[in-house]
Parts: sequence; structure tokens; C-alpha cells
Amino acid sequence: AQKVTQAQTEISVVEKEDVTLDCVYETRDTTYYLFWYKQPPSGELVFLIRRNSFDEQNEISGRYSWNFQKSTSSFNFTITASQVVDSAVYFCALGEGGYQKVTFGTGTKLQVIP
Amino acid sequence: GAVVSQHPSWVICKSGTSVKIECRSLDFQATTMFWYRQFPKQSLMLMATSNEGSKATYEQGVEKDKFLINHASLTLSTLTVTSAHPEDSSFYICSARDLGQVGTGELFFGEGSRLTVL
Repeated sequence: AQKVTQAQTEISVVEKEDVTLDCVYETRDTTYYLFWYKQPPSGELVFLIRRNSFDEQNEISGRYSWNFQKSTSSFNFTITASQVVDSAVYFCALGEGGYQKVTFGTGTKLQVIP
Repeated sequence: GAVVSQHPSWVICKSGTSVKIECRSLDFQATTMFWYRQFPKQSLMLMATSNEGSKATYEQGVEKDKFLINHASLTLSTLTVTSAHPEDSSFYICSARDLGQVGTGELFFGEGSRLTVL
């Protein structure tokens, strides 16, 4: 069975601080996809990144960066120089083989304090 | 990018009535759509997989007769909450895969529909 663990329930940081959101996953599939989504208070899911299991290269997009470590089954997300607009709930998700199903983690609520 | 649209975005209904939520892929075809449910301050839980032209596949614990899913075309799936009760109040989100990009892992989410049952 697939499982996604986001151990951090809530995190508060002061604006301009860096913050890392942890994600650990479990799967038996060799082919799978990992996702990060942002859910602001309005509720809609905002896609941030998709990574397949064969691509372990870390990725940077502006202030966002992702660290995929297959050896530890982790896909952590770092926000550099956080801003108030980053305040939201962030979900890590796992899609398995053909990803007929996507399993979401429990989410991490990030609050950036001005 | 591809767009998935849900309607209505929010709905309030009386207990005992039925509510239909639509999920449309606006610029791509989707043989498979997924319905999720999210209670306040909780994660998204997959309810069912909607397959075009066939019966939906429900996750364990989800009542088929209560949450009717119809996927009549390659661009539309509907979720009907029958005889709704206050405990059905939740945020319902659908997602869809682009038929033409199945191997890419691309998955698109709708904006969600917030249901409140009085």
C-alpha cells in the first residue's frame, strides 16, 4: 500500500526565513510520481511540481526547491526567503504506476509571520 | 495549461435533498477522473475513480448508493450526493488525466466544490 507522511502538522516562520517541508513516502512500485500542491485558504489546489521516480535531480524554481532522495524515500520542499503569501497548507502526494490513484499526505500548514 | 472546472463551486442544501457536482475537462479528453473529499483541516481522501463509459470504482468505505458517479463523456464526470445529511458537508475535488498524456504523470485538479448540508 502506498503511504505519504508529512510529519510536520504546522510550521510558523518569520518572513524572509527559509523553511523546509518534509515528505516521506512508501511504495512498492518502481515507477511512481511525486507531487507537491499548495492549498491557500480559498481551497483550490495549486500544482507546484511533479517528479517521476526515475528523475532524482533536484529542482529549483525561483524561491522553491525540491530535494528528491530515493535512498531515504523523501521528497522535501524548501521555500527560501519566505513571504506572507506563502502561507497555506502544502500537500505532498504519491501517484503509483500509471498512478490510477494519488495518495495525499496529511498536509503541513505553513504560516509566515510578517 | 489544461483546465478542469467544477460546478458549482459552493452549494448549500437542506438535509435529505440530492446535490449534483460536475467536473469538466475544458481543453482535453479524460477517460479517467478522480473524486476526492476533504474535511476541514484534513487531507484529501480518494472516494472513487470515474471511468468513461463504465461503472466507477469506489474506495473502501465509500457508499456507492450515496455517492453516485456518472462519467458519460470524455470531458464530464458528475458526482451526486443523494439524500445529503450534515455529515456529508465537505469540500469535494475532482481531478483528471489527459488522455493524450497518460505516460507523463500529468494530473489536473478542479477548483473544488464546497457542500454545506443544513
